[in-house]
Amino acid sequence: KQEVTQIPAALSVPEGENLVLNCSFTDSAIYNLQWFRQDPGKGLTSLLLIQSSQREQTSGRLNASLDKSSGRSTLYIAASQPGDSATYLCAVRRLGAGNNRKLIWGLGTSLAVNP
Amino acid sequence: EPEVTQTPSHQVTQMGQEVILRCVPISNHLYFYWYRQILGQKVEFLVSFYNNEISEKSEIFDDQFSVERPDGSNFTLKIRSTKLEDSAMYFCASTLSTDTQYFGPGTRLTVL
Repeated sequence: KQEVTQIPAALSVPEGENLVLNCSFTDSAIYNLQWFRQDPGKGLTSLLLIQSSQREQTSGRLNASLDKSSGRSTLYIAASQPGDSATYLCAVRRLGAGNNRKLIWGLGTSLAVNP
Repeated sequence: EPEVTQTPSHQVTQMGQEVILRCVPISNHLYFYWYRQILGQKVEFLVSFYNNEISEKSEIFDDQFSVERPDGSNFTLKIRSTKLEDSAMYFCASTLSTDTQYFGPGTRLTVL
């Protein structure tokens, strides 16, 4: 059964710092992995999607990497800003037939960027 | 930019009552999902819907739950007889052929 774990559970950094969030999964048979952002009491915003054949994806100050064989992904945030404060979630879609595309989620890392 | 919308944003109900949560997915999307997040817990998959039928459902999605796409634009989740443990944030998502799932803002369901 696929399990997704994220460490650390919480992180507090000063503005401007570069930081790395970690996601690990127990079953390497994944189709893709997505990183999401969740603001308090709000919905889920997709940040990056990495297909299982890819090693990394970049969007602005965000870079996500994937090492499928070791069951790990990292989200790198460069030059953090107070507006980056949110919970960051990773979710994997398992390999499977046809239209089964459900995502299996980690608990998230709560990030606070202090001015 | 197109987005997924959900109504209501907050629903309060008494235990045993029926509730219907509504979603309007992005208009050209083909795959639709419901997830829920109990406070402090992981997001959990409930059900996926494609081509007017359920394509996958979780153990949570028992006979008390049902989904419909009644008119080609709305996608609804019905809970027939709510329990206290159904209190959660319910998220609707949709996707086209690419795999990025786009989520709505959620409906907070409180069962008293």
